[in-house]
Amino acid sequence: DIQMTQSPSSLSASVGDRVTITCRASQDISRWLAWYQQKPEKAPKALIYDASNLQSGVPARFSGSGSGTDFTLTISSLQAEDFATYYCQQYNRYPLTFGGGTKVEIK
Amino acid sequence: QITLKESGPTLVKPTQTLTLTCTFSGFSLSTNGVGVAWIRQPPGKALEWLALIYWDDDKRYSPSLKSRLTISKDTSKNQVVLTMTNVDPVDTATYYCAHRLSFGELHFDSWGQGTLVTVSS
Repeated sequence: DIQMTQSPSSLSASVGDRVTITCRASQDISRWLAWYQQKPEKAPKALIYDASNLQSGVPARFSGSGSGTDFTLTISSLQAEDFATYYCQQYNRYPLTFGGGTKVEIK
Repeated sequence: QITLKESGPTLVKPTQTLTLTCTFSGFSLSTNGVGVAWIRQPPGKALEWLALIYWDDDKRYSPSLKSRLTISKDTSKNQVVLTMTNVDPVDTATYYCAHRLSFGELHFDSWGQGTLVTVSS
């Protein structure tokens, strides 16, 4: 199985901050990576697919980059509604696997 | 607009079989390339992919749970059913179904609201 490791597991930030979350795959997954946002008691919502493509309707302050084994999700200017948990997921091969999540909290 | 909704029991006893249904709209599972997956999330923990079924009845399972899972579809009813045998308290989780394609955009682009299943005697 491909292991997905996210860092940090949690972070505190203020509105307006630039936030970067890292996801590392245990083997090369090319660009077959997605990012999801999950708010408490809600289903995950797709933000980014194919490492850097913005899902329709997602604000442009979200961006993704990377390829191979190292990926990042960046929020250019954190907004109040962005406080949530973020997950990466690889779909290079089965079984499909998720990272452990990064919780973004208010400082 | 794609929508999905999970349904099933909220409480199941250990060793019993859990049956969950995903009812969807906005797409057809008879359309080339379309798939529906099941993903779960234990309370306070990360997401875990369980199973996936495609329009052509191709089925994929998580290796760690494969012996206990069965996924099936009823195209006429726009439903996907997941059965999990011999449940245990560690199977307590919110279970989600999600839409996926087998080509093009391969991520889970639409999710159901989830259904919480508790396994307890």
